[in-house]
Amino acid sequence: AQSVAQPEDQVNVAEGNPLTVKCTYSVSGNPYLFWYVQYPNRGLQFLLKYITGDNLVKGSYGFEAEFNKSQTSFHLKKPSALVSDSALYFCAVIGENFNKFYFGSGTKLNVKP
Amino acid sequence: NAGVTQTPKFQVLKTGQSMTLQCAQDMNHEYMSWYRQDPGMGLRLIHYSVGAGITDQGEVPNGYNVSRSTTEDFPLRLLSAAPSQTSVYFCASSLGLAGEETQYFGPGTRLLVL
Repeated sequence: AQSVAQPEDQVNVAEGNPLTVKCTYSVSGNPYLFWYVQYPNRGLQFLLKYITGDNLVKGSYGFEAEFNKSQTSFHLKKPSALVSDSALYFCAVIGENFNKFYFGSGTKLNVKP
Repeated sequence: NAGVTQTPKFQVLKTGQSMTLQCAQDMNHEYMSWYRQDPGMGLRLIHYSVGAGITDQGEVPNGYNVSRSTTEDFPLRLLSAAPSQTSVYFCASSLGLAGEETQYFGPGTRLLVL
C-alpha cells in the first residue's frame, strides 16, 4: 500500500534561517510525490512535485524538495524562511493505480520574526 | 475562471439529517475528488471520479454517496449524518488522472453534526 509519513507535527524556525519539513514514503514501484501548503481557512495549494528526473525539485515561493530513493524521503526545504511561510504543509503520494492521492498528517510550520 | 467552488461554507446538521455538499469546477477537468480533513489525520480520500458517469471509492467512503452527471459538478451526499462526520470537506479537481496532474482544491466546507 502507498503511504507517506510526516514525523513532525510542528516545526519552529526563526525568520531568515533555513527550514526543513520532513516526509518519508512507502510505495510499490516508482513514487510520484507532492507537497501542498494550506493557509488558515483555505484549501490546499500545490507547491511542487517529483515524477522523474533530477532529485532536487524546485517549486513555488522559493521552496524545493530533495528526493532520496535510498532513504525513501522527500524533504521540503527553503534556504531562508519568511514569516509568511507559516502554514500547514502536506506531503502526498500517488497510489499505484494512479487514481488516488494519499496525504500525510501534515506539519505545522511556525516562522518567528 | 472561478476554479473550484464549494457550497455551503459552513453547515450545522442534527444526527440523522441528510444533506448535499456541492462542488463545481469550470476548468474542464476530468478528475474530481472529495476529501475530509481531521486534526492529526491529514486529508483522507472519500470518493473520486475520473470522468462524467464514473465514480469510485476512496479510503473512507462509508456514509457518503457521489454521482457525476456532468464534467463540472461532483456533489457529495451524506445520507444520515453522524457526529463522526464532523469535519472539513474539500473538493479537488485536476485535468487528467491524478498520476501527474496538479490538483486544485476548493475553499472547503465546515460541517458540524450535533
